[in-house]
Amino acid sequence: EAQVTQNPRYLITVTGKKLTVTCSQNMNHEYMSWYRQDPGLGLRQIYYSMNVEVTDKGDVPEGYKVSRKEKRNFPLILESPSPNQTSLYFCASSSRMNTEAFFGQGTRLTVV
Amino acid sequence: AQSVTQLGSHVSVSEGALVLLRCNYSSSVPPYLFWYVQYPNQGLQLLLKYTSAATLVKGINGFEAEFKKSETSFHLTKPSAHMSDAAEYFCAVSEGQGAQKLVFGQGTRLTINP
Repeated sequence: EAQVTQNPRYLITVTGKKLTVTCSQNMNHEYMSWYRQDPGLGLRQIYYSMNVEVTDKGDVPEGYKVSRKEKRNFPLILESPSPNQTSLYFCASSSRMNTEAFFGQGTRLTVV
Repeated sequence: AQSVTQLGSHVSVSEGALVLLRCNYSSSVPPYLFWYVQYPNQGLQLLLKYTSAATLVKGINGFEAEFKKSETSFHLTKPSAHMSDAAEYFCAVSEGQGAQKLVFGQGTRLTINP
């Protein structure tokens, strides 16, 4: 089954404790992205990747890091999380030959 | 940078009534436009997309949207609402040739009254 898998689905952490949210896709897609969803703001892009070792900032990259060492994986790293990063995070992937993005189930992060 | 505006953060309709969710975009070039639906505790699912072919686009679950360049609009409609349509709906525009960079509207929560 074609899918984008994020882990964990839920995470509560404390300010300053480094964490990683994993994202993996099994569709051999070139493009992968991370978004955060906040009430009243819709989804905003954090980072995106056009291919392995190629990443670029989205609209709200501050406080986040990403890496794309393999085509299927695109982890999101919060080196020093803060309460304003409490949000619902989505990973997405798409093919350069198609305009449809496939989304993961989301990761609800709470930073206390 | 492109932007998307969805008019109405909450829309409530009766079961069987017309659903109309509004979306306006800003773009200087013909865009790719999308409507996504999000059910509770789930990811986003593509309802339909406009990619410069027919201006009236039909999607899943009986939804359709019409691209109107003169109004920079891409409103979503469904003739007869069903209880299962209750969800949050997002309009989005692509900033590139593909879906690697989507700009989303604020979202509209649709409630269906029995």
